Amino acid sequence: NAGVTQTPKFRVLKTGQSMTLLCAQDMNHEYMYWYRQDPGMGLRLIHYSVGEGTTAKGEVPDGYNVSRLKKQNFLLGLESAAPSQTSVYFCASSPRTSGGGWTGELFFGEGSRLTVL
Amino acid sequence: AQKVTQAQTEISVVEKEDVTLDCVYETRDTTYYLFWYKQPPSGELVFLIRRNSFDEQNEISGRYSWNFQKSTSSFNFTITASQVVDSAVYFCALSEPISNFGNEKLTFGTGTRLTIIP
Repeated sequence: NAGVTQTPKFRVLKTGQSMTLLCAQDMNHEYMYWYRQDPGMGLRLIHYSVGEGTTAKGEVPDGYNVSRLKKQNFLLGLESAAPSQTSVYFCASSPRTSGGGWTGELFFGEGSRLTVL
Repeated sequence: AQKVTQAQTEISVVEKEDVTLDCVYETRDTTYYLFWYKQPPSGELVFLIRRNSFDEQNEISGRYSWNFQKSTSSFNFTITASQVVDSAVYFCALSEPISNFGNEKLTFGTGTRLTIIP
């Protein structure tokens, strides 16, 4: 049972390069999220999606774009990487309850460590 | 604005000792949820518990227990008879609504790194 899978796990970029992080979940969850984790700052929400074809900005969206063309995939793009984007990125998904609500339980991927030189 | 404070950055205890991780939160919402997540050395975050703001009963699950006190806006986590496998970073989190769908996002604290010394 794969759960939430992130690729790649590690990546080193030069300033100005672009890349895409892929998140795939096989649990048929409606909600998906991208967080970044930095030392001493906990996890901060970058973008999120409440369903296929929808995306919205979170707490720290600048410099990132996302797409959710398929329910199971949530892509995070960096168009022009900057050293400030060096971080560990976590994707998470969450199910909608039978009553249409939200359980609050997030299922996380293993993280993707990105270094921008 | 929502805020979660975990004042203890790092804690080290000897195996079999009890340890309490503190969490203090700020919110203007009357309905909210509080969470604890565990991040072991492997890096993946694992859900431990969710507590509704209307339910102040303490909860116990094996060696883990949680103390929710609305009067002090605290949601503390205690591990009894700690084990080496408990070594991890623990995050407290608070929910807040972010869309008309009623979806909520989690505001995380900065985490407490717990080290259990054999």
